[in-house]
Amino acid sequence: LAKTTQPISMDSYEGQEVNITCSHNNIATNDYITWYQQFPSQGPRFIIQGYKTKVTNEVASLFIPADRKSSTLSLPRVSLSDTAVYYCLVVSDKLIFGTGTRLQVFP
Amino acid sequence: SAVISQKPSRDICQRGTSLTIQCQVDSQVTMMFWYRQQPGQSLTLIATANQGSEATYESGFVIDKFPISRPNLTFSTLTVSNMSPEDSSIYLCSAAVSYEQYFGPGTRLTVT
Repeated sequence: LAKTTQPISMDSYEGQEVNITCSHNNIATNDYITWYQQFPSQGPRFIIQGYKTKVTNEVASLFIPADRKSSTLSLPRVSLSDTAVYYCLVVSDKLIFGTGTRLQVFP
Repeated sequence: SAVISQKPSRDICQRGTSLTIQCQVDSQVTMMFWYRQQPGQSLTLIATANQGSEATYESGFVIDKFPISRPNLTFSTLTVSNMSPEDSSIYLCSAAVSYEQYFGPGTRLTVT
């Protein structure tokens, strides 16, 4: 299973764009890259998933370069409610969570 | 999508006893999982609950300590056996639907 590495924490201000980068050097050909969000006292919630290039949905964008050894989650115009832990995972048939990135958004 | 409920939401148990946590999914799913999360820490996968066969345990977790049942495609239980204070944690179940996993709210277990 591919191990992921991401920053332990990040700070931002409301209205800014936040980019969280994750490295996954040992990703396998069939693996997908998935990001989850977790608020305190709740289970993780799926944000976005991609295989290569760019994926966008109503809450985030995911950028994956051609070599797929890293990925970047982009959160446009964050608000206070985006304060959470964000996990990058490389998915085969099960989810193995890394340490995650604790994002703090300030007013 | 899937909605997952867990019972109990929290419990305080005595050392040496066992607790069974129930996980109910509102639709039939093939794959269900059990995780443990210490406060402020990431999630650790305990096992994959397989319907009709024994659960598949991750390294460091054994069936005698964490027996799992999966009697059908919507339900699973995790038992934490012979508990010690080190078992105090949040236990979460999840279900895979297509390429997404949905998580329950967790069971907060305190062992005294």
